[in-house]
Amino acid sequence: QQQVKQSPQSLIVQKGGIPIINCAYENTAFDYFPWYQQFPGKGPALLIAIRPDVSEKKEGRFTISFNKSAKQFSLHIMDSQPGDSATYFCAASIPNSGYALNFGKGTSLLVTP
Amino acid sequence: DAGITQSPRHKVTETGTPVTLRCHQTENHRYMYWYRQDPGHGLRLIHYSYGVKDTDKGEVSDGYSVSRSKTEDFLLTLESATSSQTSVYFCAISERGRGEKLFFGSGTQLSVL
Repeated sequence: QQQVKQSPQSLIVQKGGIPIINCAYENTAFDYFPWYQQFPGKGPALLIAIRPDVSEKKEGRFTISFNKSAKQFSLHIMDSQPGDSATYFCAASIPNSGYALNFGKGTSLLVTP
Repeated sequence: DAGITQSPRHKVTETGTPVTLRCHQTENHRYMYWYRQDPGHGLRLIHYSYGVKDTDKGEVSDGYSVSRSKTEDFLLTLESATSSQTSVYFCAISERGRGEKLFFGSGTQLSVL
């Protein structure tokens, strides 16, 4: 069963817009929440990550918002560009499983010029 | 791609044949993972390794086995390939575990006819 639920499945925004991708989880043992970006034909690449002791983290145009009580976290992309068009995956890891990541199903983002 | 090489990059095989995919790293990272990626399912963990000869199952391990006889090599074997194993397979490595900073290879596209 999918331990991390991601929405929406796809998203189209205009250049300069702020796409928001949401993820929800149930397992409170998760202690690390990364986002990965994947371009066609490539492997996923780490974009940004957060731990549950903070509510927000920014790196450049990318921001993670984390709501521990609601067990939700989201990715915001400020001033989105056509080059941001990619598939984005949220994930979460559990300490007692080899720290393997549980991934959401992914969001396909298209930023139009 | 962070010193990760997956081979082969593409393979077509027939149902019932054994198939071995190879992941080779030059980073000397302790943790290695095999994921499969399918439309609508995102990335799902098959097996992982936390050291030489130390491996464990992921959420979709049925029909797969792995071996790690050296730090740098992690092999994934489909014992008797089925059409449901047609997928893109990604290897990932991590230095510290804890789900942190997984680096992914470029993937192997496997088609089972």
